[in-house]
Amino acid sequence: QKEVEQDPGPLSVPEGAIVSLNCTYSNSAFQYFMWYRQYSRKGPELLMYTYSSGNKEDGRFTAQVDKSSKYISLFIRDSQPSDSATYLCAMSADSNYQLIWGAGTKLIIKP
Amino acid sequence: SQTIHQWPATLVQPVGSPLSLECTVEGTSNPNLYWYRQAAGRGLQLLFYSVGIGQISSEVPQNLSASRPQDRQFILSSKKLLLSDSGFYLCAWRPGGRTQYFGPGTRLTVL
Repeated sequence: QKEVEQDPGPLSVPEGAIVSLNCTYSNSAFQYFMWYRQYSRKGPELLMYTYSSGNKEDGRFTAQVDKSSKYISLFIRDSQPSDSATYLCAMSADSNYQLIWGAGTKLIIKP
Repeated sequence: SQTIHQWPATLVQPVGSPLSLECTVEGTSNPNLYWYRQAAGRGLQLLFYSVGIGQISSEVPQNLSASRPQDRQFILSSKKLLLSDSGFYLCAWRPGGRTQYFGPGTRLTVL
């Protein structure tokens, strides 16, 4: 079993819809959670960073961490065609600076 | 502000040829540096990381090596490329917290 599981998709939704992207993990020591967005043939860019549990909002994006369920989510409101990309989750524990990565979910927003 | 550069952007090489990919970071000193490989439709595989000049840690035994001859320069090399070395190579730097910031990547095709 991988430490971090992420559905590869593709997930196709119409423009304006609310998108929910998710990752599950097995290591209860993970405390730092990140979401990256990667456009085709580009390097990943950091979208959201959360420490421990709770929600964090930034514009149309909300990151949610549920440590009891070992489950993290990224919500995108009012989705736009420009949101079409691969979304990668990453996480790490207190004891180690290395990031453990999900495989990424490919998101397609249809105009 | 900090900027990370990678070159070349694209490379096509025959099997058995050598490889040298370069990564440089501007606007910071003593960054933690990382080399990742991303296969098509896959997540990020950590290859090497470095906490300082001449200090390299290898995560995966393979046909590749890394060097850090200067504080803000990180080089990925191979003496003889294999078909399985094809992929998207990403350099990243970590300023001091948990988040990593990526360069634009090098797409390597080994024929």
